[in-house]
Order: sequence, then structure tokens, then C-alpha cells
Amino acid sequence: GDSVTQMEGPVTLSEEAFLTINCTYTATGYPSLFWYVQYPGEGLQLLLKATKADDKGSNKGFEATYRKETTSFHLEKGSVQVSDSAVYFCALNHGGSNYKLTFGKGTLLTVNP
Amino acid sequence: DGGITQSPKYLFRKEGQNVTLSCEQNLNHDAMYWYRQDPGQGLRLIYYSQIVNDFQKGDIAEGYSVSREKKESFPLTVTSAQKNPTAFYLCATREVTSGGVEFFGEGSRLTVL
Repeated sequence: GDSVTQMEGPVTLSEEAFLTINCTYTATGYPSLFWYVQYPGEGLQLLLKATKADDKGSNKGFEATYRKETTSFHLEKGSVQVSDSAVYFCALNHGGSNYKLTFGKGTLLTVNP
Repeated sequence: DGGITQSPKYLFRKEGQNVTLSCEQNLNHDAMYWYRQDPGQGLRLIYYSQIVNDFQKGDIAEGYSVSREKKESFPLTVTSAQKNPTAFYLCATREVTSGGVEFFGEGSRLTVL
């Protein structure tokens, strides 16, 4: 079945540092890929998505490129801020008749001033 | 405002009691989902419904029940048969044409005393 593997956290960075959170997936065909963010005590919000190979999703300075050859969708940001502290989830979905998202376990990011 | 409303935000329950968590949406989305979130385990799907008067078990349905009598509402009952109910519960919705994007409520935190 489908699965998503994220780098384990927690990740702790200083403000303005470069961020990478690794995500790899196992799935048949051509799934859509997503990054969600969860701020403390809240639900999840869609951060970005990519629906086909070589697509780059981007939002709020975050980027991720859909790499089919390496089955990866790594999240990057060039300069993190304290306000980026949150849990980040990678997820996939086949769309169409597929009924649900498959999530990774989440990576906690803490950014210190 | 359009969105997903979960209530209550915090709930305390004595062992042996059933409790119902509310999820209401005015996004006119067809599909609705319930997830359970525990530290370090990501999101696990409890139940989902793709249409009114129909729902399916997810990965961890034992000890839970749901109903979908209206498009707007998808309540989750945590029964006394759920052995470890203390968790953060998230409701989500999805529009069929959204390409797999799920929208989340703010969550309900259930604590069993």
C-alpha cells in the first residue's frame, strides 16, 4: 500500500537558517503530493502541493519539487523565522476515486531567535 | 464565514462514558473525515464518509461510531469500548474536485480522567 516517510524530528534551527525536511513516498502510479503545517493547538493547513512529476509547489517561502525518479518531495525554505515553528506533514493522494490522504508521521520544527 | 467547526475544543470524560464530538461544515464538501492524532504517530484515519447516509471504517475504527444524516454534519462518538481515548481529534472535509486537498477543523482534545 501507499506510505510516506518523513525525517524524524525534532528539528531545531536558528532564525534565518536554511531548512530541509525530507519526505519520500511509496505508491503506485502518479500520486499528488502535499505538505501540511500544524501550528500548536490547531488543525492542519495546506502549505503547498504538486500534482505531477517535476512540479514545484511553493508558498510563504517554502518550496518542494515532485521528484518521481527518487520518489521524494523534500520541503525547503531558505531563511526560517520563529513563526515557522510548527509540525510539518508530508502526504500523498491518488485523486480520482482514492478516498483519503496518506500522511507521514510529522516533523516538529522549532526556530529559535 | 466558510469553514469547519469542531466542538467542544476541550472535553473531559470519565472512564466508561460515551462522548460525542461535533463536526459541522458550510463548505458544501461531499467527503468528511475523522482523524486521531497522538504524539509521534501522525494522523490515523478513524472513519470517513463520501456521501450522506454512507460511511466507511478507516484504519482504527474500533471503539468509535459515526453518522452522516446531513451533508453538513459528521459527529463522532467515542464509546466506552475505546481503550485509550485520550487524544486530539481532527475533522476534515474534501471537495471531490479539489485534487485531493483536505481542509481541517481546529480539533477537539479529549482527556479521559
